[in-house]
Amino acid sequence: DIQMTQSPSTLSASVGDRVTITCRASQSVGTWLAWYQQKPGKAPKLLIYKASSLQSGVPSRFSGSGSGTEFTLTISSLQPDDFATYYCQQYNGYRTFGQGTKVEIK
Amino acid sequence: QVQLVQSGAEVKKPGASVKVSCKASGYTFTNYGISWVRQAPGQGLEWMAWISAYNVNTNYAQNLQDRVILTTDTSTSTAYMELRSLRSDDTAVYYCARDQELGIPRGFDIWGQGTMVTVSS
Repeated sequence: DIQMTQSPSTLSASVGDRVTITCRASQSVGTWLAWYQQKPGKAPKLLIYKASSLQSGVPSRFSGSGSGTEFTLTISSLQPDDFATYYCQQYNGYRTFGQGTKVEIK
Repeated sequence: QVQLVQSGAEVKKPGASVKVSCKASGYTFTNYGISWVRQAPGQGLEWMAWISAYNVNTNYAQNLQDRVILTTDTSTSTAYMELRSLRSDDTAVYYCARDQELGIPRGFDIWGQGTMVTVSS
């Protein structure tokens, strides 16, 4: 099974900050990588698919990059609505999620 | 609009089975697959299994393949997830999600609202 490891597990940031979350795969997944945002009590929301493609309706301050085993999600200017937990997911065959990164208010 | 609507909360005893439904609307059901994901209280997301609504192919997570059964009913655009031999650590919110359009994966772009399954004696 492909393991996904996110870092950091928790991130404290302020409104307006540039935020980067890293996701590493235990073996290459090509660009079959998605990012999700989840708020308490809600279903996850797709932000990025195929490593860098922005899902329709998602603000352009979200961007994704990477390929193979190293990926990043960047929020260019953190907004109040962005405080949430973020998950990466590989979908190269089976699907696996990272353990999540909680973005909290500094 | 495009949506997935899941069945309501369930309370089950250890050893029992649960079957959760996921009704699709607003899109061609047989053009996509459905994945199931669960989230234990305070924990992260765990992918469980996937079924193609067009050719009924399935993939199951290794740790659940002996206890999970996925089915679809194309006449009602509904997917089902049955989990058998329930244990207390199966207590979680169970989500269905739209996955893989005509064989091309694009992440899980539509999610159901979640179904809470509680396993308790």
